Amino acid sequence: DSGVTQTPKHLITATGQRVTLRCSPRSGDLSVYWYQQSLDQGLQFLIQYYNGEERAKGNILERFSAQQFPDLHSELNLSSLELGDSALYFCASTPGERPSYEQYFGPGTRLTVT
Amino acid sequence: AQSVAQPEDQVNVAEGNPLTVKCTYSVSGNPYLFWYVQYPNRGLQFLLKYITGDNLVKGSYGFEAEFNKSQTSFHLKKPSALVSDSALYFCAPLSGSWGKLQFGAGTQVVVTP
Repeated sequence: DSGVTQTPKHLITATGQRVTLRCSPRSGDLSVYWYQQSLDQGLQFLIQYYNGEERAKGNILERFSAQQFPDLHSELNLSSLELGDSALYFCASTPGERPSYEQYFGPGTRLTVT
Repeated sequence: AQSVAQPEDQVNVAEGNPLTVKCTYSVSGNPYLFWYVQYPNRGLQFLLKYITGDNLVKGSYGFEAEFNKSQTSFHLKKPSALVSDSALYFCAPLSGSWGKLQFGAGTQVVVTP
């Protein structure tokens, strides 16, 4: 158990809908990262937050947005869902901003868009 | 452009034999390199990292990796594989100045009894 929690574990929804994925980092960790894992694209970095502020952005679609709240949990919002958004979404956390920190991953949320 | 390559989709090895999973990278500056493992239906787990210093890095579960700057490689090794090592292994160099990991395509390791 990494100490990173993600809810829900599974999510099934229809095209065009909007969903929110939640991540709670390890106790004391200030940085949160979001990744998408799909069969065709592999594991891709989406976005990073540190203590409530966006720090780095990857190939995150405009339909996707994220935020980190004062209690340090983070939410990833996916809207106007398409079939291709079906994937495993992981979040990870680290204590701070140093890039040398290893990231601790949550168990993931499996999103299925029908 | 920064990139990472794991040339083998799958590595098959018999239990007790040495295991090697290959990774080559292309990053600017001094590389920060990581290996992660993913077991079925689980999140990724950190194995080891190279930041600076000794080229041979030791990690979790008996794994080690050798950083080779001239060959831009960071191969993962284990002297004696276990059936429980069967999993998906990812090499991930750091991309940019923040903690943005760029994952390879992954190598499926299958260890047979």
